[in-house]
Amino acid sequence: AQSVAQPEDQVNVAEGNPLTVKCTYSVSGNPYLFWYVQYPNRGLQFLLKYITGDNLVKGSYGFEAEFNKSQTSFHLKKPSALVSDSALYFCAEKLPWGGATNKLIFGTGTLLAVQP
Amino acid sequence: DVKVTQSSRYLVKRTGEKVFLECVQDMDHENMFWYRQDPGLGLRLIYFSYDVKMKEKGDIPEGYSVSREKKERFSLILESASTNQTSMYLCASSPTGANVLTFGAGSRLTVL
Repeated sequence: AQSVAQPEDQVNVAEGNPLTVKCTYSVSGNPYLFWYVQYPNRGLQFLLKYITGDNLVKGSYGFEAEFNKSQTSFHLKKPSALVSDSALYFCAEKLPWGGATNKLIFGTGTLLAVQP
Repeated sequence: DVKVTQSSRYLVKRTGEKVFLECVQDMDHENMFWYRQDPGLGLRLIYFSYDVKMKEKGDIPEGYSVSREKKERFSLILESASTNQTSMYLCASSPTGANVLTFGAGSRLTVL
């Protein structure tokens, strides 16, 4: 079955340090992959996506993610963390043959805590 | 900016009550979705709709129904609320062929 794994419930990082939030997917082939962020008491906001092309994708707020087909991973990264990056991060995938309805499968989420 | 508005941010209901959660989007999107969000489980799809009066079950449709009489409005209905339906409910929309969902702020439902 299609699934997305976020192995860490929480990631702690000091402000100014690089951060990585991990995501692995299960579908063979070339899924569409996404990262969303959720700030407290808010809905999800789109950060970035990988559809095809360059494996390194740049998104909002200085975030980027690298698609690694051999490891079936799509880790979210940022070179220098900010306290304001503290939020809940969700990885999601969509099958490219899944039709036009954009049905996404989400991971369980990773809470990023950036300490001053 | 695309707006997805969920009219009720916080609701408290009693077991057995009928509950309506309303979602309205203002950008003429064809697709609309209802997810529920629970700690440790992430987002799970309840129902989605790709056109007016069209609906499809998601991964956890039991205990829920939906209504889409107009393109901009997608309602989630709990016919008889139960305590295990206490959750955060998120509505989202997207145009056909696009790959990005726009989410509402969420409706936190507590069933006592």
